[in-house]
Formats: sequence, C-alpha cells, structure tokens
Amino acid sequence: GDSVTQTEGPVTVSESESLIINCTYSATSIAYPNLFWYVRYPGEGLQLLLKVITAGQKGSSRGFEATYNKETTSFHLQKASVQESDSAVYYCALGEGTGGLSGKLTFGEGTQVTVIS
Amino acid sequence: GPKVLQIPSHQIIDMGQMVTLNCDPVSNHLYFYWYKQILGQQMEFLVNFYNGKVMEKSKLFKDQFSVERPDGSYFTLKIQPTALEDSAVYFCASSLRTGKDNQAPLFGEGTRLSVL
Repeated sequence: GDSVTQTEGPVTVSESESLIINCTYSATSIAYPNLFWYVRYPGEGLQLLLKVITAGQKGSSRGFEATYNKETTSFHLQKASVQESDSAVYYCALGEGTGGLSGKLTFGEGTQVTVIS
Repeated sequence: GPKVLQIPSHQIIDMGQMVTLNCDPVSNHLYFYWYKQILGQQMEFLVNFYNGKVMEKSKLFKDQFSVERPDGSYFTLKIQPTALEDSAVYFCASSLRTGKDNQAPLFGEGTRLSVL
C-alpha cells in the first residue's frame, strides 16, 4: 500500500537556525499523487501548511518550502531560519492526484519540532 | 476562516457501550472523512463519505463502525459496541473537491475517545 516516512522526532533546533524535515513516500496505488505538509501547533488543530500537486514544483508558506521530487520520491520540508513560533508537530501526507475520487490522505508519523531561544 | 468543529473534545465510556462522535463540517463541503490516531502512532484513514454514501473504507473501519450525515446535519461516527482498542483520537475532515483540484481536507481538532 501507500506509505509516508518522515524524520523521526523529537527535533530541537535553536532560533534562527535552519530546519529540514525529511519526507519520502511510496505511492503504489497512485500514479501522480498530491503531496502535503500539515502542522499542528500546541493547543490547536491540524492545519494545512502547504501542498504541491505537480512533480518538480515547489510549495511555500510561512517561510517553509518543499519540492516535489518524483525521482527520489521525496518532499522534504525546509526553513532557512526558524522562530520559536514554529514549534509544532509537522506531518507529511500523500493524497490522490488526477482522477482520484476518494480524497483520502496517507500520513507520516509526524515530527515534533521544538525551537529554543 | 472556515472550520470543522468536533463535539465533544473528549469522551469517556465503558467498553461495550455505544458512542457517537459528532462533526460539523464546513457548510459547502461535499466530502467528509474520519481518521483515527492511536497515541504515538500515525493518523490513519478510516472512511470517507460523499453524496450520502460511504465511498471507501479502510480495514480499520470495523463492522461496529458506521457513519451518516442525516439531512445535512452533523457527520457522525458511531461505534457500537465499543472495544478497548477503539481508544484513540478521532479526527473529522471535509473538503470541497478531490483529485487534482483537491483543496486539501480541512481537519477538526479531534475527539479523544477513552474506552474503559
């Protein structure tokens, strides 16, 4: 079946340092998947951070970037300079693309990120 | 912005009892989902629902589970009877479209179900 593997947490990083959370996927049942990063801030619900639906393209939001690499089946999340407010749990997810009907997502295990000052 | 609301946020029940988890999706959304997350594990797809019918369900969606959305009201997940292994956080989500134009499902904050 489909699966998503991401950097095992917890990850601690100092403010203004860079952050990368690795995500690789296996889409055995989906020819052209959509890829997502969701985030859960403390005390809040899961929310979409960014999505990319076309291989080779980059998505960005709130200073985070992720590039959809079909060759390496990866969708790593990066930020050049983190802030304390970026402390959260980050989830990589895979969903159906063109022609997909179910809309379901396959999630990674989540990566807890703590930014310290 | 639009929100998916889940009621209650925490439910505690005895094993064998029935429980109904309620979800108030975004008003113009057409696709509805339930996900289950056991503590320390991945969030996993349970079921999706469109036009009054279940479209797809995973192997986690046991016979004791059912979903419905009567007359456009709450989208509900009912478990009858409950078992200890049903203890988890259940997330509801909704979306307007699927496929390439998938706007990405919007998630609620979850209902923590504790089966004793």
